[in-house]
Amino acid sequence: LAKTTQPISMDSYEGQEVNITCSHNNIATNDYITWYQQFPSQGPRFIIQGYKTKVTNEVASLFIPADRKSSTLSLPRVSLSDTAVYYCLVVYNTNAGKSTFGDGTTLTVKP
Amino acid sequence: IAGITQAPTSQILAAGRRMTLRCTQDMRHNAMYWYRQDLGLGLRLIHYSNTAGTTGKGEVPDGYSVSRANTDDFPLTLASAVPSQTSVYFCASSEGLTLTDTQYFGPGTRLTVL
Repeated sequence: LAKTTQPISMDSYEGQEVNITCSHNNIATNDYITWYQQFPSQGPRFIIQGYKTKVTNEVASLFIPADRKSSTLSLPRVSLSDTAVYYCLVVYNTNAGKSTFGDGTTLTVKP
Repeated sequence: IAGITQAPTSQILAAGRRMTLRCTQDMRHNAMYWYRQDLGLGLRLIHYSNTAGTTGKGEVPDGYSVSRANTDDFPLTLASAVPSQTSVYFCASSEGLTLTDTQYFGPGTRLTVL
């Protein structure tokens, strides 16, 4: 059974760079890796998506090694408002509706 | 622009009762999804619909049914609720036809089955 594994929690301080890694050993050739952010009492919100190497947008970077068995979400210079739960999503079989969200990493940013 | 609306916001339901959770999107997205999120866990896909008139089973479909009569609405029905269906339910949509496409989530419905 496909599984996605993330650290349960992480702490950081304002202004630091935070890296959250997700393991997805059974990822298939055509699968993309997507990261979502969720604040309490809200639905998840898209952050970034990638297939291989490195992707960067205005809020984060995503690093994916050549074997694609893991991915790392990098948040530069975090602020208190980045305190949230971060989920990685890997779709294992688009046609069959098979996807796995990780259990999420709770990031706490301290002043 | 409302995006995705879900109703009700929360509900307490007696076991054995029938319940329909409503989801409406105004973005004219092709695909829609229902997830459940249990305390401290990630989201698990219940059912999905790639386009109006079609539906498919996700990871945990048992005990749930869906319909997609038009583009905008995607109701989720619990025919006979059980306590294990206590959860927060999120509806989502995507412009593209697959789970890989960016999903936009609603605010959720908190359901408690007693």
